[in-house]
Amino acid sequence: EVQLVESGGGLVQPGGSLRLSCAASGFTFTNYWMHWVRQAPGKGLVWVSHIDEPGSSTTYADSVKGRFTISRDNAKNTVYLQMNSLRADDTAVYFCVRGDGGLDYWGQGSLVTVSS
Amino acid sequence: DIVMTQSPDSLALSLGERATINCKSSQSVLFGSHNRNHINWYQQKAGQPPKLLIYWASTRGSGVPDRFSGSGSGTDFTLTISSLQAEDVAVYYCQQYSSSPYTFGQGTRLEIK
Repeated sequence: EVQLVESGGGLVQPGGSLRLSCAASGFTFTNYWMHWVRQAPGKGLVWVSHIDEPGSSTTYADSVKGRFTISRDNAKNTVYLQMNSLRADDTAVYFCVRGDGGLDYWGQGSLVTVSS
Repeated sequence: DIVMTQSPDSLALSLGERATINCKSSQSVLFGSHNRNHINWYQQKAGQPPKLLIYWASTRGSGVPDRFSGSGSGTDFTLTISSLQAEDVAVYYCQQYSSSPYTFGQGTRLEIK
């Protein structure tokens, strides 16, 4: 059974940093792109970032470019999202997602709240 | 960036009716050498993560009932639910997966009348 379990969310002050982790299991992790997608409370889905299978290629939404960094550890079947210089509008549930023909498996999400 | 625009924003229909949700991309979403339209559709029920319904514009995801279908080409795409069931109440999103950033539409809320 494919499982994606996010951790690391919480309350952080504006300008602060947080690192999200996503532990993957139930599939061959090295065969898939991985993504982060976020959803602010009561709002729609926003794609954030992706990383390719070996971790050599990454892309970002303009809203997070230069502040967020995606990475993966294929030995640990884990993908990360390092979030720096956080702003109030980064407040959202962050989903870890497997990418295949579409985004076919989603974690339950990790809530990040940026507030003083 | 490719902008995805869905219509309508919300929809209220009776059980058994046909639901049609439209999605327009600001530019072509043909994907590389596959020469296929890379449009995905997702269903998100309250309090749950999204579920992949349709990929490559018209291919149903694993376990998706056949009352859900996707169509379209170029820049105009449609998700159709042939006979609305109570469990189809959700927000539906389209997404282009042809080039980064892999943008979503704003969502369409589907309710039972």
